Amino acid sequence: DQQVKQNSPSLSVQEGRISILNCDYTNSMFDYFLWYKKYPAEGPTFLISISSIKDKNEDGRFTVFLNKSAKHLSLHIVPSQPGDSAVYFCAATTGANNLFFGTGTRLTVIP
Amino acid sequence: NAGVTQTPKFQVLKTGQSMTLQCAQDMNHEYMSWYRQDPGMGLRLIHYSVGAGITDQGEVPNGYNVSRSTTEDFPLRLLSAAPSQTSVYFCASRPPKEARRDPYEQYFGPGTRLTVT
Repeated sequence: DQQVKQNSPSLSVQEGRISILNCDYTNSMFDYFLWYKKYPAEGPTFLISISSIKDKNEDGRFTVFLNKSAKHLSLHIVPSQPGDSAVYFCAATTGANNLFFGTGTRLTVIP
Repeated sequence: NAGVTQTPKFQVLKTGQSMTLQCAQDMNHEYMSWYRQDPGMGLRLIHYSVGAGITDQGEVPNGYNVSRSTTEDFPLRLLSAAPSQTSVYFCASRPPKEARRDPYEQYFGPGTRLTVT
């Protein structure tokens, strides 16, 4: 049973506009959340994270928002660039050695 | 640093055959892990190791064995391959606390695409 869900398999956005990728989780014990980015034929790479004690974390063009009551997080990319085209995975952990990943959302940024 | 390397990149096996997926890292990372990625599912943890001589099971360990005789290598063994093990396999390692950008950051290898017929 998927504990972390990304319900949009794909998203297309014009260059310069905002990309919003969504993620929902079911396990209320998750206390840390991450986003990974994956290009074809490469492994995922860490992008940004957020602890459950925060509701927002920013790193340059990337911002992650966490809504604990809704068990929902989102990744905002502003402005979107063609190089951002990739698959984005949301992941969550209870603090143990296991990360639970979502199914991924393929972002295409159109020049 | 070569990072996390995985061999082979692609492999086709017949049901019942055995094989070892290789994973190596030259960054002296203590923690290493194996994930599988299947269509419609996220990456799922198979086994992990917190250091040489220590391994533990993840979410989906059945059908796989691991060992960690050195810090550098963490091979994944399929003793009797089944079609359900058709997947993309990723190996990952985690830097020591003082070198991480994030407490849970891992470096992933490029993956091995395995098909079992």
